[in-house]
Order: sequence, then C-alpha cells, then structure tokens
Amino acid sequence: DQQVKQNSPSLSVQEGRISILNCDYTNSMFDYFLWYKKYPAEGPTFLISISSIKDKNEDGRFTVFLNKSAKHLSLHIVPSQPGDSAVYFCAANDNAGNMLTFGGGTRLMVKT
Amino acid sequence: DAGITQSPRHKVTETGTPVTLRCHQTENHRYMYWYRQDPGHGLRLIHYSYGVKDTDKGEVSDGYSVSRSKTEDFLLTLESATSSQTSVYFCAIRGRIVDGYTFGSGTRLTVV
Repeated sequence: DQQVKQNSPSLSVQEGRISILNCDYTNSMFDYFLWYKKYPAEGPTFLISISSIKDKNEDGRFTVFLNKSAKHLSLHIVPSQPGDSAVYFCAANDNAGNMLTFGGGTRLMVKT
Repeated sequence: DAGITQSPRHKVTETGTPVTLRCHQTENHRYMYWYRQDPGHGLRLIHYSYGVKDTDKGEVSDGYSVSRSKTEDFLLTLESATSSQTSVYFCAIRGRIVDGYTFGSGTRLTVV
C-alpha cells in the first residue's frame, strides 16, 4: 500500500507558464517532505524540502506547499523552463528520520 | 554524484547467478541506502545501513542481502538473480536530513 502517491504520471506545460506537481500521503507520522528531480541515466537530485511545521518553502522558481490536514503537498515551478523537463519524485520522512518513502514520480515536459 | 559512486554502471547477468553491486562514498556519512527504481513504483527501499555492520530491511528486501564492513562501502548482493530483479539500482547517502539524500548515478541490471 503506497504511503506516498503522485497520481499524475505525466504533465505537459508550456514554457513560461506555471507547473504544479501534486503529492498525497497517508502516514501521519511523516514530518519532513522533499522533492527530487531526475534526468534520464542520472540519479535523483535534491530540489527542495519542507518541514511539517511550515506550510510553504520557497527557493527561487520553486515553491513547495504543504497542507497537513489534507495530507497533500505540491511543487510549483514558475516560470517553467525547458530544462525543467524531468521526472519529479515526492518523498517523505518520518520523525525517526531513518528512511525516505518515495512516490511513483511525475514526468514533466516543458514545451517551447 | 560528488562523493558517491556506484559500480558497475551496467550489468547483464543470467538467471540464478549471484550478483554484487557496490556503493562507495567519500563523505563519511553514517547512513547509506539501496533503492530500486521501476516504472510506476518510483523508488523503493531495499535495505539501508546506519553504521558499520548495522543494517536493516526496507520495503522490498526479499532476494537481497547487504553488507557494510567499512563506513565507505555498502554492498548489495542478489544471491540468485531472477528476472523480476531487472531494474535500476540507486545507492544514496545521508548527512543532515535537511540536506536530503545524495544519490549515485545508478546501476542498470538486466537479468536474462
């Protein structure tokens, strides 16, 4: 039973527009959330994170929003660029901090 | 990625043969992880280590064993490879949780 779900396997966005990637989780013990970006033939790279004590974290073009009551988080990319085309994974850590649980990933395609 | 290397990068092996994948880090991190990536499943944890000779199972540990005799090396062994173990395997290391995990470039394993 997947504890972290990304229900959209793919997303296509026009260059310059906003990309919104969504993630839902079921385990209320998760208290730290991360987004990773993955290009083909490379390992995932850390993008941005958020603690459960916050509802928003921003880093340049990337913003992560956390809605704890809905057990939902989202990654906003504004403006989207062709180099953002990749697979994005949502991940969650419980308060023991020993392991990350990943979602299935969303493939983002930014069109020129 | 800087500080973490995986070997080999690619391997083709026959069903029933043993296979060992190696992960080497130069960051002196305590935590090391083995994940596998499969379409639709994202990244799933196989085993992890929280110190020399200290390991624990992850979500999909059946058919895999690990060893960590030195801080810098974490080995993943498939005792008798099966076709269901065809996958891309990623090693990761973790320092501070706020910095996320750092992943290696992956090993593409094909079992024929």
